[in-house]
Amino acid sequence: DAGVTQSPTHLIKTRGQQVTLRCSPKSGHDTVSWYQQALGQGPQFIFQYYEEEERQRGNFPDRFSGHQFPNYSSELNVNALLLGDSALYLCASSQSDRGTEAFFGQGTRLTVV
Amino acid sequence: GNSVTQMEGPVTLSEEAFLTINCTYTATGYPSLFWYVQYPGEGLQLLLKATKADDKGSNKGFEATYRKETTSFHLEKGSVQVSDSAVYFCALTKWGSTDSWGKLQFGAGTQVVVTP
Repeated sequence: DAGVTQSPTHLIKTRGQQVTLRCSPKSGHDTVSWYQQALGQGPQFIFQYYEEEERQRGNFPDRFSGHQFPNYSSELNVNALLLGDSALYLCASSQSDRGTEAFFGQGTRLTVV
Repeated sequence: GNSVTQMEGPVTLSEEAFLTINCTYTATGYPSLFWYVQYPGEGLQLLLKATKADDKGSNKGFEATYRKETTSFHLEKGSVQVSDSAVYFCALTKWGSTDSWGKLQFGAGTQVVVTP
């Protein structure tokens, strides 16, 4: 079992650009959540996808959007990048009907310059 | 809303010392509680969990007990090693409620540094 995999591992973008991050959930998991972790802080919930729809959302602007595909993989898109979007973006997967713990990927380190 | 408060770091210890990281929470009902660990340059790994009051989670020598009366979930280890140096996050979630669906609420993290 490959666990949760994220790509790319590192990314540098220019302010104003757009970025897409990708996540493949752990085998058997159907729910994907995205978190933003700024340097020295705890992860902050961005949104969660289940059955290809956004089920809940944290306090993030509409510049942050996502998608879930039929194979349960997911993308996080961020438009009009700001310097403050620089962070580690973590994907977590879980199984919705079991209430089990979330498993995290290694993250994508985004740097906006 | 739900929140988690954990002690600030860094916590610096010598090898074989006793480690305690305090964590308290605010939530309605009965959340599930977790400790995650993050090693440098990596994502989060689940260390242990507890899903109901008085449950004790344990793993790799670490323990934490879910105390409903004090809304706490303190992490302890009797004898730390250099390899335990990492950032530790306390977190909670509530399953089955329309405002949660397993969304994790994290504390700010506590950095632990263990010296030989």
